[in-house]
Parts: sequence; C-alpha cells; structure tokens
Amino acid sequence: NADVMQNPRHLVRRRGQEARLRCSPMKGHSHVYWYRQLPEEGLKFMVYLQKENIIDESGMPKERFSAEFPKEGPSILRIQQVVRGDSAAYFCASSSAGTQNTGELFFGEGSRLTVL
Amino acid sequence: KNQVEQSPQSLIILEGKNCTLQCNYTVSPFSNLRWYKQDTGRGPVSLTIMTFSENTKSNGRYTATLDADTKQSSLHITASQLSDSASYICVVSVWMDSSYKLIFGSGTRLLVRP
Repeated sequence: NADVMQNPRHLVRRRGQEARLRCSPMKGHSHVYWYRQLPEEGLKFMVYLQKENIIDESGMPKERFSAEFPKEGPSILRIQQVVRGDSAAYFCASSSAGTQNTGELFFGEGSRLTVL
Repeated sequence: KNQVEQSPQSLIILEGKNCTLQCNYTVSPFSNLRWYKQDTGRGPVSLTIMTFSENTKSNGRYTATLDADTKQSSLHITASQLSDSASYICVVSVWMDSSYKLIFGSGTRLLVRP
C-alpha cells in the first residue's frame, strides 16, 4: 500500500554498521507494526508501537534491535552492529485505533537490508 | 499454543484453472481471519476478512470460507490469471494479554503458468 511509506527501499550495510529503517504510517493511523521476512519465509512479528509508546516488543531480539515512534516524525527501526543474519525484508504496517481489532493492517512496500 | 498452519506450502497451476488454499488454526478466543496477497517484492494487501459468524465471502474471483467449528478456512481462486501468482497469507486475530494479537501463517506460494 503506497500510503504507508518506507525508506530506504534497499539498504546495504557491512557487518558491524548500523541500519536505520523508517516508516511513515497512513494518514490518521497511530499504530505501527514492524515485521521481518526472510527469503522464502513468512512474516514474523517484531514490535508494535503507538505514538511514543512500545506496546508489544515480544518479537524483537533482545540485543542490537530497537524501535521508536516519536510524537512527530516516522517510526524508526534501528539495528546496531548488523550481522549477515539480519539480511531480510523489513515490513512496516499501520492501522487506526478503529481497525486494530479487525486485524486490517496496511503494509508498506518494505525495506530490504543486505549485510555484506 | 496459538498457531496458524497453511497448506499447501506451494502450488503450481495452469492459467484458467481453479485452486483452493487451506488455513487451519488453533487460536482461541478467535476474533477474525483475514487473507492477504503478497506479490513478489511487495507488501501484503488484504483480500478479505472473515468474522466468527460468516461462512463465505467473495471478492471478485476470490472466495473465502470459514468453518469456525473445525477452525478451518479456505481461499478459492476461480479462473486463475498470471497476476494471481503471489504468496497468500492467512492471518488470525486473537484476544490475548488485554489486546488483539495477529497470528500469521507462513503462506502458500502460488505460481500460475500460461
């Protein structure tokens, strides 16, 4: 869904560098979700945020990964000291408070991280 | 344990043929079930949503069914087209820990050949 904007679409990093992925939700949406998808695999939940709050980070690795959704600006998924296993497509999705319980998420086109 | 299993894992059919994708879930309490289509290299897009009381719902050539008793859903594609080649993901919503959680299946990869 083009209304959920993710950037960069493609990112190449060397091992040990930092990766920052940005997501601007659909207009009016205050709920943001991040998912990781390895090649040929399904989507894996990472974290669910509302403005200035992390609601559920049960899918987030305990180290090197962090996420935020500030009052102003996009949501950021940050990966420190990247390793080759971090290479994946990272999808952001958003929902409004009203659609949260229907399970309808609007996905961005993803950010593809390649770690050399 | 809340799980969503999809079958087959992958499927190849000829253009114009019909096919049916399966989704079995062991989720409780169930809220709703949604089918998404994910084109290669793109984000998933919602096709249809099924609530507890609904048995069948159509969206063009896509028809989803839900049997809440057996906890099974199917997605039937009629008169397949090349553009139907994609991954189809079943997602079940469950009320857990005071909020709704989405449980994703691993998807069925469909390839439609001319």
